[in-house]
Amino acid sequence: GAGVSQSPSNKVTEKGKDVELRCDPISGHTALYWYRQRLGQGLEFLIYFQGNSAPDKSGLPSDRFSAERTGESVSTLTIQRTQQEDSAVYLCASSLNGPQPGLGELFFGEGSRLTVL
Amino acid sequence: GNSVTQMEGPVTLSEEAFLTINCTYTATGYPSLFWYVQYPGEGLQLLLKATKADDKGSNKGFEATYRKETTSFHLEKGSVQVSDSAVYFCALIQGAQKLVFGQGTRLTINP
Repeated sequence: GAGVSQSPSNKVTEKGKDVELRCDPISGHTALYWYRQRLGQGLEFLIYFQGNSAPDKSGLPSDRFSAERTGESVSTLTIQRTQQEDSAVYLCASSLNGPQPGLGELFFGEGSRLTVL
Repeated sequence: GNSVTQMEGPVTLSEEAFLTINCTYTATGYPSLFWYVQYPGEGLQLLLKATKADDKGSNKGFEATYRKETTSFHLEKGSVQVSDSAVYFCALIQGAQKLVFGQGTRLTINP
């Protein structure tokens, strides 16, 4: 597609429920990233995919968080047993070749706003 | 580890005012530095970048100079417009690592 597409744009859920957030990167981009932005805070790295593998998942905050990517395209971020502190905007980004010195141009989606009641 | 610290917002200015948004970083070696911008209702997009010391990145009237001696990458614009209202993020990348962002600074320009 023309840009990075994320869905849903807004999700309200009850504490303890599972949620899935979807990201469609720009066609042909091999690298895909998930970031989280809590209210009033900066972007927090969660996980990075190169193709279908995840060389860096160091930012996933707990084992309730998981992500997968299939076909070097769509990625799904899953949060199990959601907690109120999971409320945030979840941003997906893609880039052509992955993080490299001198590049770093990531193309971001508009984010999925998650509210856990 | 690597980190980025930005001037706290929100920042409110009148149109045609001079803008500075401070950004300092902590990193070993020589990171590449970036400013990203998020306009209302849109995704983050790259505004400008600098890849080595003393480089100046520029775009849309904005400038930032990579100062290794002060580990800074302050964003400046000589005359802001209402359309510059957005959230601005300073970021760095080093080696093959992930992009590390500051907390963002919300800028509002009043006519």
